[in-house]
Amino acid sequence: SAVISQKPSRDICQRGTSLTIQCQVDSQVTMMFWYRQQPGQSLTLIATANQGSEATYESGFVIDKFPISRPNLTFSTLTVSNMSPEDSSIYLCSVEFDRETQYFGPGTRLLVL
Amino acid sequence: GEDVEQSLFLSVREGDSSVINCTYTDSSSTYLYWYKQEPGAGLQLLTYIFSNMDMKQDQRLTVLLNKKDKHLSLRIADTQTGDSAIYFCAENNNQGGKLIFGQGTELSVKP
Repeated sequence: SAVISQKPSRDICQRGTSLTIQCQVDSQVTMMFWYRQQPGQSLTLIATANQGSEATYESGFVIDKFPISRPNLTFSTLTVSNMSPEDSSIYLCSVEFDRETQYFGPGTRLLVL
Repeated sequence: GEDVEQSLFLSVREGDSSVINCTYTDSSSTYLYWYKQEPGAGLQLLTYIFSNMDMKQDQRLTVLLNKKDKHLSLRIADTQTGDSAIYFCAENNNQGGKLIFGQGTELSVKP
């Protein structure tokens, strides 16, 4: 398996500001993913981040709102831009460790006031 | 389309077996997964099953897959209070690693 950490673990932000979430993995992985879990809801994929290429966004998510970086095989960042209260969610990164399994980080709990 | 459905709540007594059910629509799914989310925590991968299998057992966990009916279940034997959590089923629909999640089933275990 993989050990995944995220920073920050939680934050309270003012509307209109931006927050960058970091995801660090203890081994090199090709595929990393960013999910959003809105309060009381299931997980929805925001985008897939592969090293050396542009992130691939799911329907309803755009790069201007959720820019992603993937500078190497162990690290990625997701920025939530120009935040509004509707962005209050848990943001989770995950990695595909082999072709069969996907492991998740502990999540970043974001509250936008 | 892609859709994964679960019942929202399940309550059992400590020591009983719990069965959490899930239905999915995408017959091309290669793997199906069960994740556990405890309050304030991330998702923990519990177990998964390959689509050409009918059953997988791992200690107290038994996964049953009925591919014809597109039905997946997770049985937890001898349920403990520490098993109280939200359980998500998910399918991998072979689209670049994307997982499609159900709504989650909140399991409450009463002493």
